[in-house]
Amino acid sequence: DTEVTQTPKHLVMGMTNKKSLKCEQHMGHRAMYWYKQKAKKPPELMFVYSYEKLSINESVPSRFSPECPNSSLLNLHLHALQPEDSALYLCASSQVLRGGGNTGELFFGEGSRLTVL
Amino acid sequence: AQSVSQHNHHVILSEAASLELGCNYSYGGTVNLFWYVQYPGQHLQLLLKYFSGDPLVKGIKGFEAEFIKSKFSFNLRKPSVQWSDTAEYFCAVSNEKLTFGTGTRLTIIP
Repeated sequence: DTEVTQTPKHLVMGMTNKKSLKCEQHMGHRAMYWYKQKAKKPPELMFVYSYEKLSINESVPSRFSPECPNSSLLNLHLHALQPEDSALYLCASSQVLRGGGNTGELFFGEGSRLTVL
Repeated sequence: AQSVSQHNHHVILSEAASLELGCNYSYGGTVNLFWYVQYPGQHLQLLLKYFSGDPLVKGIKGFEAEFIKSKFSFNLRKPSVQWSDTAEYFCAVSNEKLTFGTGTRLTIIP
């Protein structure tokens, strides 16, 4: 079992729908991440939040909108997605080092499998 | 920019065989190195990590990896694999962000 909880586990949505993916961790980590993983591919970084502030956006299209309401929660709001956005979306968390970076030791959730019709 | 190469895309072994998965990275500065594993239907989890010190690191489930700085390599090894080691293995490097290699699918035949 992982200490990073993602909901829902599966989501099917149409291209005009608005939906959200949710992630929660209670390890006291102050960095949280969204990754996208296509089948048989490595995870690709989308967003990083550090101390509830967006620190990295890997040029992700605006139809993906992240939100970090507090240090334990991370959301990914989805709107007007395309079929090619179908993938496994992974949330992760980590400690933040004193200098502001992180060690790279991330704790991952089981993912939300998204299908866009 | 940092990058990671895993040259073995799919490895098939019989139980009790020895395993070595290759990983090479490119980055001019100091990096932290990792192997993550993704068992079928499960979350991505850390197998082992190298930050500094002894270049031979031991991880969970009998896995180990050796950091060879001159070769920019961080190969994963296990002396005797089990059927339960069937999984996808990702090498990763971290400077400011974690970058994954393309992954190696390991299939163990009973």
